[in-house]
Amino acid sequence: QVQLVQSGSELKKPGASVKISCKASGYIFSNYTMNWVRQAPGQGLEWMGWISTDTGIPTYAQGFKGRFVFSLDTSVTTAYLQLDSLKVEDTAVYYCARIKVLPLHDGTYYYYMDVWGKGTTVTVSS
Amino acid sequence: SSGLIQPPSVSVSPGQTAKITCSGEALSKHFGYWYQQKPGQAPMVVIYKDDERPSDIPERFSGSSSGTTVTLTISGVQAEDEADYYCQSPDISGTNLWVFGGGTRLTVL
Repeated sequence: QVQLVQSGSELKKPGASVKISCKASGYIFSNYTMNWVRQAPGQGLEWMGWISTDTGIPTYAQGFKGRFVFSLDTSVTTAYLQLDSLKVEDTAVYYCARIKVLPLHDGTYYYYMDVWGKGTTVTVSS
Repeated sequence: SSGLIQPPSVSVSPGQTAKITCSGEALSKHFGYWYQQKPGQAPMVVIYKDDERPSDIPERFSGSSSGTTVTLTISGVQAEDEADYYCQSPDISGTNLWVFGGGTRLTVL
């Protein structure tokens, strides 16, 4: 079945780096763009951006440019999120989510997140 | 701050109808989507393209759109529907491509 399996929880010190993985299975990896979403403790969902699994080109939301890096290893159908120079405020659950794209009658498309990973908790603390 | 505005909370008794609204200029030009998130779980889509429901979502969930507002309606609310609900849409401001609403906690009394 279609699933996204994320790596386990991480505990890091401020200034360190962490790389989270999201292993896709049950579908053609390159057919669906991968999305990343952050949820800080007790807070709502924040869209971080996405990466085309076809071209490898990432797109970052405004607040996630610089220290956040999306990458892929298509040979193992896995997407990665790397967070550099970690700050305490990066403590959150990070979700990967597949984007489903569907056509409209006018030739345009609409898209949404149809399959989600269970999330990876990153805790940044000294 | 989010360009999509949701009420922080909605409370209903079992069997009643819950309506959760989401307002934003982007919704006049783009479809709205709704995600349900139960405690400790990942979100899941319950409504897409304003009013379409995935096949595995109960029929009591429906969506509608009017002007700059989309509404998620849950008819005959059940205890298991207690969750946080987030609307999402493309971002009209151009700052980001997508944006989420702040979320609405649905409490079943």
